[in-house]
Amino acid sequence: GAVVSQHPSRVICKSGTSVKIECRSLDFQATTMFWYRQFPKQSLMLMATSNEGSKATYEQGVEKDKFLINHASLTLSTLTVTSAHPEDSSFYICSALREGFADTQYFGPGTRLTVL
Amino acid sequence: GESVGLHLPTLSVQEGDNSIINCAYSNSASDYFIWYKQESGKGPQFIIDIRSNMDKRQGQRVTVLLNKTVKHLSLQIAATQPGDSAVYFCAETGDSWGKLQFGAGTQVVVTP
Repeated sequence: GAVVSQHPSRVICKSGTSVKIECRSLDFQATTMFWYRQFPKQSLMLMATSNEGSKATYEQGVEKDKFLINHASLTLSTLTVTSAHPEDSSFYICSALREGFADTQYFGPGTRLTVL
Repeated sequence: GESVGLHLPTLSVQEGDNSIINCAYSNSASDYFIWYKQESGKGPQFIIDIRSNMDKRQGQRVTVLLNKTVKHLSLQIAATQPGDSAVYFCAETGDSWGKLQFGAGTQVVVTP
């Protein structure tokens, strides 16, 4: 149990376009999901907290107008990178908080975004 | 700000030996700690967790030790196998419920 999926696993796009990444909790409901980005050889950096039915909470330094988050259901959160640029190329990982189970975060497999 | 840090960026271990991965944390408000394993190109995988009211917890081939006095966390892997090669991250809850603060990570390389 506690499986989290992401789609797509890899995406290549042109500079200036927008990319949507989906995060789904497959066998549990998640009121809270998190979005991270990870550059090569570095740790995970929290971008935002996604709350079902309400606005996301962004970490300091993360542009909310650039990284749009929608958490429309208890099993789906989406991250849209708007007007992507090469510096947005990174590994984006989501996690879902499984409440009642030691509040453990279960992570998705990640999405590799490459902006040309 | 306060952060979680690791002492060793790379750990080379011979197959069959025990591995010890260390982590220092500075936020005394953290009450929940987790170790994650991340293989190349994949998301972090939960290994084991521990709450601040405990000092030791054992899983299958893994043990987490928590020393609150010196704010130190360690992960011990018994009889390390090639499949244990990965980057290991410690994470703490910090001041905010649900949110995790990750350490820098330790690359574990298992040699035959």
